[in-house]
Amino acid sequence: QAVVTQEPSLTVSPGGTVTLTCGSSTGAVTSGHYPYWFQLKPGQAPRTLIYDTSNKHSWTPARFSGSLLGGKAALTLSGAQPEDEAEYYCLLSYSGARNWVFGGGTKLTVL
Amino acid sequence: EVQLVESGGGLIQPGGSLRLSCAASGFTVSSNYMTWVRQAPGKGLEWVSFIYSDISTYYADSVKGRFSISRDKSKNTVYLQMNSLRAEDTAVYYCARVDHGMDVWGQGTTVTVSS
Repeated sequence: QAVVTQEPSLTVSPGGTVTLTCGSSTGAVTSGHYPYWFQLKPGQAPRTLIYDTSNKHSWTPARFSGSLLGGKAALTLSGAQPEDEAEYYCLLSYSGARNWVFGGGTKLTVL
Repeated sequence: EVQLVESGGGLIQPGGSLRLSCAASGFTVSSNYMTWVRQAPGKGLEWVSFIYSDISTYYADSVKGRFSISRDKSKNTVYLQMNSLRAEDTAVYYCARVDHGMDVWGQGTTVTVSS
């Protein structure tokens, strides 16, 4: 079973930029892992921000972007807002999409 | 409106069984890939199961052999049959549509496994 790793916590200043990363114990993360990024706030269902590495939904604020960076999937937030304070989870697909694994999540504080 | 509504959660004793339902509106579950994800209290998200077609179903190792995913075209509903439940299965269970970038999520249903 692959292990997907994320930073446990990060802090960003309002208006600042932060990059969250998502690594895989099996090696470099590629587009073939179809990386997803989700935002999770207490008491709410997950909200999908990014799919297939860098694709955004209509509700994804423009300040969020997804990419591959140094062998990992990355979620970059440029111009952080107080409402971006949340937990962020990545999800990777393995074995031809027969097995999916979430990362442990990153608690993002905007302070 | 495209929507998913989960139901069927509740309090169940260890070793018991429960069937969760995920009713869809605004689209057809039989034409879409569907998934179940859970979040245990104080823990992160965990992928549980995935259905591509009636013969293409996949499960996390933690539930393999105990959980079964299926869908009913006539009811436009996806199910998660959970057997031999354990305390560690206690979680909020969400269903989601995978097509279109996992764009639709239900509000979740809570399963508590306790004696």
